[in-house]
Amino acid sequence: GESVGLHLPTLSVQEGDNSIINCAYSNSASDYFIWYKQESGKGPQFIIDIRSNMDKRQGQRVTVLLNKTVKHLSLQIAATQPGDSAVYFCAENEQYSGGGADGLTFGKGTHLIIQP
Amino acid sequence: SAVISQKPSRDICQRGTSLTIQCQVDSQVTMMFWYRQQPGQSLTLIATANQGSEATYESGFVIDKFPISRPNLTFSTLTVSNMSPEDSSIYLCSVAGRGNQPQHFGDGTRLSIL
Repeated sequence: GESVGLHLPTLSVQEGDNSIINCAYSNSASDYFIWYKQESGKGPQFIIDIRSNMDKRQGQRVTVLLNKTVKHLSLQIAATQPGDSAVYFCAENEQYSGGGADGLTFGKGTHLIIQP
Repeated sequence: SAVISQKPSRDICQRGTSLTIQCQVDSQVTMMFWYRQQPGQSLTLIATANQGSEATYESGFVIDKFPISRPNLTFSTLTVSNMSPEDSSIYLCSVAGRGNQPQHFGDGTRLSIL
């Protein structure tokens, strides 16, 4: 069935380096994508989102890239800090109405480990 | 963004019993969602809870096992019925944002069934 998945379960980077977390999706009708950060014992925390009419969006130290041709999504984190250690999930839905009316389909998650 | 509170934050239950999880939001929201996160796994949507109507369940989830209430625009409950060890998971509620705002999540209820 349709799914959203991640390529790597664990990513280890040096503090101060840039991190890139990847996500592949299979539903060509998906038009809204979102990245969440989940720390141990907490719920997912919104990081950044992007709609299918865009291919790049930047936030504070984070950038999301969307390649609809190959159905690929990535999250770039600049100058990684110890507080960035967490599990990162991509999620998607289709026909996003702007009211958040649809549930999300989540990818498997990447555990980002920051080494000192 | 909305502040979402879930109760209980964790519980240990005996198999065959039922537990009701509460989700309280500090502002009125149209849509609320319930997700399950099994140990070491990603999140899976259980159902969408609309105020004043029956919840809409995803494939693999049924109302008899996971009855949901949504009595008003700030509150919802999810009951996990006749629990078995396979129901040991984190159960999370989320709310749909206003306008173009994304979904936000509570910190979840960590449920263990013995």
